[in-house]
Amino acid sequence: KAGVTQTPRYLIKTRGQQVTLSCSPISGHRSVSWYQQTPGQGLQFLFEYFSETQRNKGNFPGRFSGRQFSNSRSEMNVSTLELGDSALYLCASSFGGAVDTQYFGPGTRLTVL
Amino acid sequence: AQRVTQPEKLLSVFKGAPVELKCNYSYSGSPELFWYVQYSRQRLQLLLRHISRESIKGFTADLNKGETSFHLKKPFAQEEDSAMYYCALSAYNTDKLIFGTGTRLQVFP
Repeated sequence: KAGVTQTPRYLIKTRGQQVTLSCSPISGHRSVSWYQQTPGQGLQFLFEYFSETQRNKGNFPGRFSGRQFSNSRSEMNVSTLELGDSALYLCASSFGGAVDTQYFGPGTRLTVL
Repeated sequence: AQRVTQPEKLLSVFKGAPVELKCNYSYSGSPELFWYVQYSRQRLQLLLRHISRESIKGFTADLNKGETSFHLKKPFAQEEDSAMYYCALSAYNTDKLIFGTGTRLQVFP
């Protein structure tokens, strides 16, 4: 079956702009999690959605938000971009949540200039 | 707060040598622990989880609650084991994974 897809794969934005990233999970998966990956901090949990409800959120400012649609596709939005938001953003899908096998997408590489 | 520590950024061994990638965690409850691996130009993927107690690609990991550790071991490393390895923890009823910073394993021929 098709894997997790993320669009776009690469983005270049300037400070102050906003950005929306998209994640399409594996068919049948209802949980989608988002992570920020940077060389210094590694993988940091952003939030997790299950059946359109956010069940958990990491320690990120309110500029980071997300949502999940009825078909389990998810989007995350970052407003008022800062240089430090430059990172690889990964999404992962699973049947039920963190204790189930997470299937990761290829990531979206965001560069903020 | 839950935390996962992988003390080694890089571990280099020769083919056929034993490998141990260290993982320590802090969590007062009973954690679910995982090892994820990322091979070159591939996606991050699950290697193994403590609850299944299985060996995958020759790797095993034992949960030691007394030492709060979940080290990954393989008796004889292969060149194809070269990858980035991440230890991860899920605390009860939180629906989030906490990752360590990862250890790069290099296996030389």
